[in-house]
Amino acid sequence: DTAVSQTPKYLVTQMGNDKSIKCEQNLGHDTMYWYKQDSKKFLKIMFSYNNKELIINETVPNRFSPKSPDKAHLNLHINSLELGDSAVYFCASSLKSSNQPQHFGDGTRLSIL
Amino acid sequence: AQSVSQHNHHVILSEAASLELGCNYSYGGTVNLFWYVQYPGQHLQLLLKYFSGDPLVKGIKGFEAEFIKSKFSFNLRKPSVQWSDTAEYFCAVNARGAGSYQLTFGKGTKLSVIP
Repeated sequence: DTAVSQTPKYLVTQMGNDKSIKCEQNLGHDTMYWYKQDSKKFLKIMFSYNNKELIINETVPNRFSPKSPDKAHLNLHINSLELGDSAVYFCASSLKSSNQPQHFGDGTRLSIL
Repeated sequence: AQSVSQHNHHVILSEAASLELGCNYSYGGTVNLFWYVQYPGQHLQLLLKYFSGDPLVKGIKGFEAEFIKSKFSFNLRKPSVQWSDTAEYFCAVNARGAGSYQLTFGKGTKLSVIP
């Protein structure tokens, strides 16, 4: 029944490692997003895909690479993890129209040791 | 591009007190407005939204918000808060017709309700 599901929920790893976070939505939405929420709860959009095409690519290090195999999935791969990457990463989805709200996943808490 | 300001960083209230959280946006055109809530350790959930029509919108859990176009504001209100309302509240705005992906969030207001 989960609408937007992301895995894993927690990710603890060391600096320099490469990790991936997966996201899937079963709402029939055509647009998906990745957000980063820092320790002060500030939400920053990282990427947005519409029908598997990149729409928004904010100023994010190119160590972060999103991949959308189909419009129901948007994965995030991070290379060479750094201490500053520690945050909660939220996946979200919506329909493209501007009056449509975004639906969020439960978040992935990434901790870099 | 639009921007959103939430002036209150942290609001502390006793149970049964009335709540008003401020949200002002900056954009010259027509906007869609949203309030989201994030309970501790959870994801963001939609509280309410405004697109058009009656500027006073009602959401879930007794929350309401009023769109005042002349003040570029969309303040969130609740007549009587409960301990379970303790959460982070985010105001968000996008330009009408710009697509849902152009959503801009405010920095959030933390609400702590004391029993």
